[in-house]
Amino acid sequence: DAGITQSPRHKVTETGTPVTLRCHQTENHRYMYWYRQDPGHGLRLIHYSYGVKDTDKGEVSDGYSVSRSKTEDFLLTLESATSSQTSVYFCAISEPAYNEQFFGPGTRLTVL
Amino acid sequence: AQSVTQLGSHVSVSEGALVLLRCNYSSSVPPYLFWYVQYPNQGLQLLLKYTTGATLVKGINGFEAEFKKSETSFHLTKPSAHMSDAAEYFCAVMVKAAGNKLTFGGGTRVLVKP
Repeated sequence: DAGITQSPRHKVTETGTPVTLRCHQTENHRYMYWYRQDPGHGLRLIHYSYGVKDTDKGEVSDGYSVSRSKTEDFLLTLESATSSQTSVYFCAISEPAYNEQFFGPGTRLTVL
Repeated sequence: AQSVTQLGSHVSVSEGALVLLRCNYSSSVPPYLFWYVQYPNQGLQLLLKYTTGATLVKGINGFEAEFKKSETSFHLTKPSAHMSDAAEYFCAVMVKAAGNKLTFGGGTRVLVKP
């Protein structure tokens, strides 16, 4: 398995609180991605990164921000969590020369 | 922009029967196509992928898919379903020039009946 970990793996929080999810990789891949998975929607891209301090918005970026200060870490922040952000969040990594992405184990977030 | 449509959010098959999961895509450039499987409470595992070359692609666990450009399809098949095939399956398209970003279909959940 690709060396990707996500923390926490499960989190329950309340509406209005800030939440940060962490993706850590040991593969030194340049590209990193955050997706959310919801029934009927598959996985949708939230934000992605092409390198340190180089990030951009994906399809469903409203309410989310990201940071990447080191190659190995990609943080996803919900500044003020809402119930609509209850989801399973997946991190993925890739390299420009590769033809696929490798996925982390996911974080299940519940916003009450 | 790319898009992926998976026909049927749920499919029920009998053990030993053919598994057929349909995927149609839209892409403005030649696509790379993928099928992922997700077992309950697990992450995504790559089943197979098409990049270039042979249009019939074989993957793990006896699955295969055929890229048909004229039909913009990439359907997934397995000749004989096994109980262990019960999972959710996702079709996805990648555009290399767009930073290897993936666009996923909505997923198809497969139930295998004994």
